Amino acid sequence: DAGITQSPRYKITETGRQVTLMCHQTWSHSYMFWYRQDLGHGLRLIYYSAAADITDKGEVPDGYVVSRSKTENFPLTLESATRSQTSVYFCASRQGNEQFFGPGTRLTVL
Amino acid sequence: GDSVTQMEGPVTLSEEAFLTINCTYTATGYPSLFWYVQYPGEGLQLLLKATKADDKGSNKGFEATYRKETTSFHLEKGSVQVSDSAVYFCALSNFGNEKLTFGTGTRLTIIP
Repeated sequence: DAGITQSPRYKITETGRQVTLMCHQTWSHSYMFWYRQDLGHGLRLIYYSAAADITDKGEVPDGYVVSRSKTENFPLTLESATRSQTSVYFCASRQGNEQFFGPGTRLTVL
Repeated sequence: GDSVTQMEGPVTLSEEAFLTINCTYTATGYPSLFWYVQYPGEGLQLLLKATKADDKGSNKGFEATYRKETTSFHLEKGSVQVSDSAVYFCALSNFGNEKLTFGTGTRLTIIP
């Protein structure tokens, strides 16, 4: 199916563990984004990518790492998860000035 | 920097009531303005947009007019339905900036 998929949809992990959230888009959009959604903060940009092998920090990048070896994939890694990273994570891609969002990953760090 | 302020929620209305969700922005230049909607358990979907002053975006009975003089982009609907229950986000994108700046979201609940 065309669109953006995220996996897993739900993840529970422990403090200090490494976690990777996957994002895949089928449109070949150049720009991709990772956001986190927290009550009272709306959506905050973590990282974004303008193309394969080009990434840049957003508003809240600390504790996260991204890579983009292929246009269609944009994984987000939490190298050592902390409780403050408990959140819902959304991946998005952009065409023109419109962004298209995946269904989200709900991550709980215990 | 750019910022978006939208009315705090939650907002609870009866079915067929008139809806207004306020949104104001601060930005240099001439941003594009958006309303996104998030239904329970889903990602955000674009609801409507406007790219220049005095443009009106509309979709699914919702409307918003880009008012540069008041730096506002208020969302309105004449008669809401239970299926409109969702979280609504106002956002802007400035020329030459690939990123979206979001408001904090307004949770809307419509009761039958």
